Amino acid sequence: GDSVTQMEGPVTLSEEAFLTINCTYTATGYPSLFWYVQYPGEGLQLLLKATKADDKGSNKGFEATYRKETTSFHLEKGSVQVSDSAVYFCALRDDSWGKLQFGAGTQVVVTP
Amino acid sequence: ETGVTQTPRHLVMGMTNKKSLKCEQHLGHNAMYWYKQSAKKPLELMFVYNFKEQTENNSVPSRFSPECPNSSHLFLHLHTLQPEDSALYLCASSQPGTKGGEQYFGPGTRLTVT
Repeated sequence: GDSVTQMEGPVTLSEEAFLTINCTYTATGYPSLFWYVQYPGEGLQLLLKATKADDKGSNKGFEATYRKETTSFHLEKGSVQVSDSAVYFCALRDDSWGKLQFGAGTQVVVTP
Repeated sequence: ETGVTQTPRHLVMGMTNKKSLKCEQHLGHNAMYWYKQSAKKPLELMFVYNFKEQTENNSVPSRFSPECPNSSHLFLHLHTLQPEDSALYLCASSQPGTKGGEQYFGPGTRLTVT
């Protein structure tokens, strides 16, 4: 079945550092891929998405490229801020009904 | 503001109580979902409704009873819960049949069972 694997956290880094969160997937079809972010005390918010190979999703300085050859969708940001501290979830959607398969989530802590 | 609202935001209930969680979406979607998010555990999909019909129940105990009276509203009725049911319950909606159609989440209900 479909699955998503993302790096375990917590990831702790200083403000203005470069952030990478690895995400790989297995799927039988051609899934759409997503990154969601959850700030403390809130629900999940869509951060970015990509629907086909080589697509790059971007939002708020975050980027991720859909790599079919490596079945990956790694999240990157060049210079993080304290306000980026949150839990980040990688997810895929491989059917027309909209059900998502989530990774376990990666907590990111950014210190001043 | 994602267009999905949940009430109440916080709920404390005893094991013998009966309560309900409510979710409403203003996005015109036809699929709605209940998730359970517990500390240190992955997000768990509980129920899926498509066009008001339940299409998935992931072996959820019968003390959780969902109801979807129309495509905009989703309820989760709770009775005789256990302390391990304490968690954040998230509702989401999406539009089925749309390539790349993402789910939109509500803020969640923080449930504590005493």
